[in-house]
Amino acid sequence: DTQMTQSPSSVSASVGDRVTITCRASQGIDTWLAWYQQRPGRAPKLLVYTASKLQSGVPSRFSGSGSGTDFTLTISGLQPEDFATYFCLQLGSFPWTFGQGTRLE
Amino acid sequence: QAQLEQSGAEIKKPGASVKLSCKASGYSISDYAIHWMRQAPGQRPEWMGWINPDNGNAKYSQTFQDRVTLTTDRSASTVYLELNSLRSEDSAVYYCARLVIIPLGALDIWGQGTTVTISS
Repeated sequence: DTQMTQSPSSVSASVGDRVTITCRASQGIDTWLAWYQQRPGRAPKLLVYTASKLQSGVPSRFSGSGSGTDFTLTISGLQPEDFATYFCLQLGSFPWTFGQGTRLE
Repeated sequence: QAQLEQSGAEIKKPGASVKLSCKASGYSISDYAIHWMRQAPGQRPEWMGWINPDNGNAKYSQTFQDRVTLTTDRSASTVYLELNSLRSEDSAVYYCARLVIIPLGALDIWGQGTTVTISS
């Protein structure tokens, strides 16, 4: 199985800050990686697909990069609604696997 | 607007089975595969398997291979997940999600989740 190591597990930040979250895959997955935002009690929301493409309707302060084994999600200029949990999902090989999540607080 | 609507919360005893539903609206369920994940409290999500609603072909994670069955009723635009031999570790929120291979290569729409509680 492809293991996904996500860091940090939590980060304290303030409105206006820039935050970077990383995911590392235990084996190469090309750009088969997606980033999701999850609020308590809510379904995950797709932010970025194929590592760097922004999903329609997602603010441009979100950006993704990377390929192979190392990926990042950056939020530039945090807004109050961005305080949530973020996780990555690798779709490069079955079984698909998730990062452990980053809580932005 | 495409949506996935999941069935309500379930409380089951150890050893029992549970069958969850995921109803598609706003698009044809035959057009996209449906994947199932679960998330225990404080844990990362766990992928369980997927089904092609058009032909009923399903693939399962080895973790659940012996206990899970995915089925579809196209006339009802609904996919079902059945999990057998339930144990306490199966307590989690179960999600279905739609896979859009082109152009996204990602799960773009998720159901609201179904909470399953296993308790004697």
